[in-house]
Amino acid sequence: DVKVTQSSRYLVKRTGEKVFLECVQDMDHENMFWYRQDPGLGLRLIYFSYDVKMKEKGDIPEGYSVSREKKERFSLILESASTNQTSMYLCASSTDRQGNRSFFGQGTRLTVV
Amino acid sequence: AQKVTQAQTEISVVEKEDVTLDCVYETRDTTYYLFWYKQPPSGELVFLIRRNSFDEQNEISGRYSWNFQKSTSSFNFTITASQVVDSAVYFCALRSSNTGKLIFGQGTTLQVKP
Repeated sequence: DVKVTQSSRYLVKRTGEKVFLECVQDMDHENMFWYRQDPGLGLRLIYFSYDVKMKEKGDIPEGYSVSREKKERFSLILESASTNQTSMYLCASSTDRQGNRSFFGQGTRLTVV
Repeated sequence: AQKVTQAQTEISVVEKEDVTLDCVYETRDTTYYLFWYKQPPSGELVFLIRRNSFDEQNEISGRYSWNFQKSTSSFNFTITASQVVDSAVYFCALRSSNTGKLIFGQGTTLQVKP
């Protein structure tokens, strides 16, 4: 079974800190995605990547960056964490651009204080 | 622009009742894909179904059924004889064949009471 693993389930960081959220998938998927989930807003796409070293902005990229140096790993970076980035972050992967389903990690609940 | 709307924020039913979760989407693509995911309290999204834009056949899987209607841009999800274990947040999502982006609706929280 496909496994998408996020490095932390819960994280508490201080305002201004640089934060790394890591995501690893074990099925050689080309595509990887980062979403944030907020009540009443559903899941919103932050960044996605179709291949190693490739990235594209999603709908809410401001305040975030990403890194994909290896196919199996997709990192979300908060350069200077702010309280409005307190949220649930979900990573996903899929095999290609078309209709294949996405597989999700268990989520990281980030609190910025 | 692509958009998915789940107008029902929260639904509460009593066990064994039938319940329908609505999903309306917007896209200019001729080829696209629609999904439903379930998010139980544990947090991980669980895939339920995928439909492509050329397949309007409705589908039934046990107590779950899906009604896809391109004419109204809707992809509704019905749970028959609901159970407490169906309590979760349900998301409808749209994927463009052009961009590959997966766009989610706001989610519907379903509470099934015993």
